[in-house]
Amino acid sequence: QTVVTQEPSFSVSPGGTVTLTCALSSGSVSSSYYPSWYRQTPGQAPRPLIHSTNVRSSGVPDRFSGSILANKAALTITGAQSDDESDYYCALFMPSAIWVFGGGTKVTVL
Amino acid sequence: QVQLQESGPGLVKPSQTLSLTCNVSGGSIVSGDYYWSWIRQHPGKGLEFLAYIYHSGSTYYNPSLQSRLFISIDTAKNQFFLNLNSLTAADTAVYYCVRADRWLRQFDYWGQGTLVTVSS
Repeated sequence: QTVVTQEPSFSVSPGGTVTLTCALSSGSVSSSYYPSWYRQTPGQAPRPLIHSTNVRSSGVPDRFSGSILANKAALTITGAQSDDESDYYCALFMPSAIWVFGGGTKVTVL
Repeated sequence: QVQLQESGPGLVKPSQTLSLTCNVSGGSIVSGDYYWSWIRQHPGKGLEFLAYIYHSGSTYYNPSLQSRLFISIDTAKNQFFLNLNSLTAADTAVYYCVRADRWLRQFDYWGQGTLVTVSS
């Protein structure tokens, strides 16, 4: 059973930087897992942020960036704004051709 | 602009089968390289991938639910469907239909979601 793990929560100050990670129970995350990231606010459907590790989806501000850090997929928010308070989910595309989501990270800006 | 809209019963009884429909508008379900997917979210919890189908009919399922899931597509109606049988309270969730880019491996367009409650 593949498990994808994210930090449950993070707090960041306005203007600060926060890096969320996405780890794979069975080993290292690489670009071959096509890491993608989504943000979700209460009552709304998730919206795409990043795909293919580090490519921003249409309309996503450049304060959001994706990378691979220490064998994990990572999402960095630079210059956090109050609007960035959301739940953030990563998804990995497995060799079995299905996706597995992480449990999500709740980001608070205060 | 592609839009997806789920429809289905809001309330179903335990042991019954859930049938959901996703209507796709603003683009043909057979054009482009997209996977048509279902994802659910238990109340207050994270996202769970369920299944996807390609317009050719190829299907892929979450292994933990595969025995209870069936996904299908009607290209003439521009719709795709999900059946989930042997329902329990643990299947209570918001169900989203979602388009995934086959090459970018990204879920790029989401329906608004439909809440399904399993209760007698």
